[in-house]
Amino acid sequence: LAKTTQPISMDSYEGQEVNITCSHNNIATNDYITWYQQFPSQGPRFIIQGYKTKVTNEVASLFIPADRKSSTLSLPRVSLSDTAVYYCLVGVILTGGGNKLTFGTGTQLKVEL
Amino acid sequence: EAQVTQNPRYLITVTGKKLTVTCSQNMNHEYMSWYRQDPGLGLRQIYYSMNVEVTDKGDVPEGYKVSRKEKRNFPLILESPSPNQTSLYFCASSPLYQETQYFGPGTRLLVL
Repeated sequence: LAKTTQPISMDSYEGQEVNITCSHNNIATNDYITWYQQFPSQGPRFIIQGYKTKVTNEVASLFIPADRKSSTLSLPRVSLSDTAVYYCLVGVILTGGGNKLTFGTGTQLKVEL
Repeated sequence: EAQVTQNPRYLITVTGKKLTVTCSQNMNHEYMSWYRQDPGLGLRQIYYSMNVEVTDKGDVPEGYKVSRKEKRNFPLILESPSPNQTSLYFCASSPLYQETQYFGPGTRLLVL
């Protein structure tokens, strides 16, 4: 099963834009890409979801290229409170058929003053 | 309040002593899932349920059982816990497969 991979960590400063990429070569044709944020000792919390091109909501944007083998979460003007682990979640194609939701490896974002 | 609840939140047990972690959601969601989270390994799916009476294995099902006899509940059963099942466990639910998942607060389990 191909892993859904993300950079292990990223550092940024307050006010900057942060882009976190997820690689998902085995994404299922009809499945969506979802991103979650997780603070220590809490369950993940939904940020944004998309299928293709670009999606924007009040907290983030999601960019998905035409081949859908990767996606980029964009956080505009981050603040200290955005320090967290970010996960992508995609449906991946299984070797024996069917597909299953799989979390990415997670990216620890650290925002400093 | 719409939520996913898990009990217990913290549990210390000994090897071989059967235990159940309960999960309940009040949002009438069809899809429910269990994950474990370990340092450096991220979130790994244990079991999931597309709807009542339909469950399937996730990435790491060994040593676990689940049941989905009613829509709101999805207990996780460890028949004979072992130390390698020491972990942080999350239950989640969503209206349907692939829709936004809502996570419970987590259950921290220590198996001695």
